[in-house]
Amino acid sequence: SQTIHQWPATLVQPVGSPLSLECTVEGTSNPNLYWYRQAAGRGLQLLFYSVGIGQISSEVPQNLSASRPQDRQFILSSKKLLLSDSGFYLCAWTSTDTQYFGPGTRLTVL
Amino acid sequence: GENVEQHPSTLSVQEGDSAVIKCTYSDSASNYFPWYKQELGKRPQLIIDIRSNVGEKKDQRIAVTLNKTAKHFSLHITETQPEDSAVYFCAASTSGTYKYIFGTGTRLKVLA
Repeated sequence: SQTIHQWPATLVQPVGSPLSLECTVEGTSNPNLYWYRQAAGRGLQLLFYSVGIGQISSEVPQNLSASRPQDRQFILSSKKLLLSDSGFYLCAWTSTDTQYFGPGTRLTVL
Repeated sequence: GENVEQHPSTLSVQEGDSAVIKCTYSDSASNYFPWYKQELGKRPQLIIDIRSNVGEKKDQRIAVTLNKTAKHFSLHITETQPEDSAVYFCAASTSGTYKYIFGTGTRLKVLA
């Protein structure tokens, strides 16, 4: 069966510090991968998606970037965090039609 | 661009009553419509889905209906229970593409 992992689960970072969030998928190959951000009490904002290794598409211009160094690994990064980067970051994958979410990383930028 | 409108944004019902959440999509190529439930602090979880070749699908107390002509689809929860309280998201997707458009969510409160 397929599983999706994200880490860390929670993170508290100061403004201006770098960020690296990791997502890995098991049990499937060549999935579409997605990064979403969810502000408190809000909806799902699509940040990036990837249809293959090294292929990244950005949906919203911002100070975040994404990379896919391996088929089942998706990384979200920032060089300098902003207060507005706080939120719940969700990785998701789609192999056929259904999208499944990882457990999420709750990021607080102080 | 493509979007999915979801209504209402909040919904309060008495325990045992029914709840209906409605979504409208814009992309006529959409052919897959899932619904997710997100409990506080947790990830969204798929609860039911429907494909464009089906008009209705039911799973115990949950049902989804689709009107392709009007580009509407709805989630129906009968005999609501307190544990149904959560945020519900609809989505529209096109098979074989990356496109997965979510609605803005409905916060459902079931009052005991």
